[in-house]
Amino acid sequence: DTGVSQNPRHKITKRGQNVTFRCDPISEHNRLYWYRQTLGQGPEFLTYFQNEAQLEKSRLLSDRFSAERPKGSFSTLEIQRTEQGDSAMYLCASSFGSGGGYFGPGTRLTVL
Amino acid sequence: DQQVKQNSPSLSVQEGRISILNCDYTNSMFDYFLWYKKYPAEGPTFLISISSIKDKNEDGRFTVFLNKSAKHLSLHIVPSQPGDSAVYFCAVNYGQNFVFGPGTRLSVLP
Repeated sequence: DTGVSQNPRHKITKRGQNVTFRCDPISEHNRLYWYRQTLGQGPEFLTYFQNEAQLEKSRLLSDRFSAERPKGSFSTLEIQRTEQGDSAMYLCASSFGSGGGYFGPGTRLTVL
Repeated sequence: DQQVKQNSPSLSVQEGRISILNCDYTNSMFDYFLWYKKYPAEGPTFLISISSIKDKNEDGRFTVFLNKSAKHLSLHIVPSQPGDSAVYFCAVNYGQNFVFGPGTRLSVLP
């Protein structure tokens, strides 16, 4: 399967802990996006990479959030000192050029 | 302040009939529009798109209509099938990212 993969699929953590999610995009895709989705809402943009460069970050992305894409391939999203409000589905998408993105299955984060 | 609105949270349609999902947007500068479908426990799947130079795009059972003057687009599914039951998101291209509406849950009844 050559789609977008995300790991882990589910993460339960205690408030104050750090968590890291991984996204492996479709191999030839140069663009990678992170989104967050909460119940009853559509995905909300968090950040965007073109190759290894992080070109745009949403104001939703507080200082506790950091994303990397060190070699222009996979990406990681880290949340430090998690809060209950961080509980959401974290979605990764990739694309080649400016077309619509192909989404991964998401990582569901629950902060207790 | 939602830039993309889907005012119907849910829609039920009989199998074989037409499903019409609606989406309104606020910024006349948006120039590329997409529809995604999402099943439970999966990420959204790209369905169909349209650029602002067109007013209609068709792909099999799916047709998207764009009314730029009204800042409105719609997705028509005909004939509707039970496998079409999912949440449908309208999205617009905004800079380097995409802004999504809140979604409409479509239920196609057999």
